[in-house]
Amino acid sequence: NAGVTQTPKFQVLKTGQSMTLQCAQDMNHNSMYWYRQDPGMGLRLIYYSASEGTTDKGEVPNGYNVSRLNKREFSLRLESAAPSQTSVYFCASSGDRSGYSYNEQFFGPGTRLTVL
Amino acid sequence: KNEVEQSPQNLTAQEGEFITINCSYSVGISALHWLQQHPGGGIVSLFMLSSGKKKHGRLIATINIQEKHSSLHITASHPRDSAVYICAGGRADKLIFGTGTRLQVFP
Repeated sequence: NAGVTQTPKFQVLKTGQSMTLQCAQDMNHNSMYWYRQDPGMGLRLIYYSASEGTTDKGEVPNGYNVSRLNKREFSLRLESAAPSQTSVYFCASSGDRSGYSYNEQFFGPGTRLTVL
Repeated sequence: KNEVEQSPQNLTAQEGEFITINCSYSVGISALHWLQQHPGGGIVSLFMLSSGKKKHGRLIATINIQEKHSSLHITASHPRDSAVYICAGGRADKLIFGTGTRLQVFP
């Protein structure tokens, strides 16, 4: 099992360019998450999906869109990248009980994005 | 006030020392997770606690629900324990993260 995979691992964009970060999990998890991690701050939730076909905003959703393509895949799109979106992005997935705070989250390896 | 607060932010130790990292959390958090972020960036879950104590190898996690406080202990620390340790509070199916404790263990 690959667990949670993310592509790409690194990306450099110019201001205004768009891109999609891809995430897939092979653990049959219902919930999937996108986080960003910035120096000196904890991981912050951008969007999450409690099940296939549903998505909800997290703490910092502005400038991002998401698609839960199927149970396995959850993509994050930056329509018009800004320097403030320079960050490390992590995708995660968790168990099969929606709304359950005890579910362990499994993280992808991260994408390091720089916006110039 | 952050909903999940960790201390210390940075910690250095000599190999063999006993390490303690603390985490305080706010009302509404029903489970406390400890995670480890390796120097290469990968994040793995270490423990999930809702009560009591858990042990895995040299790692021990405890939680006091009344005081809303959890601790992560590392016994006989080793340079390979050098990492960022993150506590996170579980609320429904979301996690609220602390800012992490950067641990460096020197030989």
